Amino acid sequence: DAGVIQSPRHEVTEMGQEVTLRCKPISGHNSLFWYRQTMMRGLELLIYFNNNVPIDDSGMPEDRFSAKMPNASFSTLKIQPSEPRDSAVYFCASRPGLTYNEQFFGPGTRLTVL
Amino acid sequence: KNEVEQSPQNLTAQEGEFITINCSYSVGISALHWLQQHPGGGIVSLFMLSSGKKKHGRLIATINIQEKHSSLHITASHPRDSAVYICAVTSGNTPLVFGKGTRLSVIA
Repeated sequence: DAGVIQSPRHEVTEMGQEVTLRCKPISGHNSLFWYRQTMMRGLELLIYFNNNVPIDDSGMPEDRFSAKMPNASFSTLKIQPSEPRDSAVYFCASRPGLTYNEQFFGPGTRLTVL
Repeated sequence: KNEVEQSPQNLTAQEGEFITINCSYSVGISALHWLQQHPGGGIVSLFMLSSGKKKHGRLIATINIQEKHSSLHITASHPRDSAVYICAVTSGNTPLVFGKGTRLSVIA
């Protein structure tokens, strides 16, 4: 298996632009997580899905952030409009189910908003 | 919500030294993870444990459920061990809650 796949790996954009990050979880995994990592705050959970349904989005910082999981093999995290403080590394992770503890991380997307 | 504290925040060691990184949490858990992240790199799971001790090569992880504390030990440290080590916990079907990480630098 290729593991969790994220794209793009790097994104540089200007303030105000829309940014879309993509994630393909490991095949057969039912739970998917979006995290943000910054120097100041470390790793933070943004949102997670189980069986394509959003379970908890309380970590999504503002209405500018939205996430979807239209099917079991694809999820997107969108920021519109982007701001410089959104600059961070965004990780996607998946695991076989909510009751299964081990989690597998993607390589991350490094976002820079100028 | 579980509070996860790691210590130290930063650690510099000479090659060959024995290293210990500590993690404590506030609420009972079902599993604790130790993760490794190299500079500019992705996150790799080193250990997942719910009791006792696990060993993999030069790495040893222990957990004391009663004291809500875990340690990650590295024996005979090497410069390639330089990375950020992150402790994370989960309870049942809850998402991972992360510590802020310990930045380790091993100098040759």
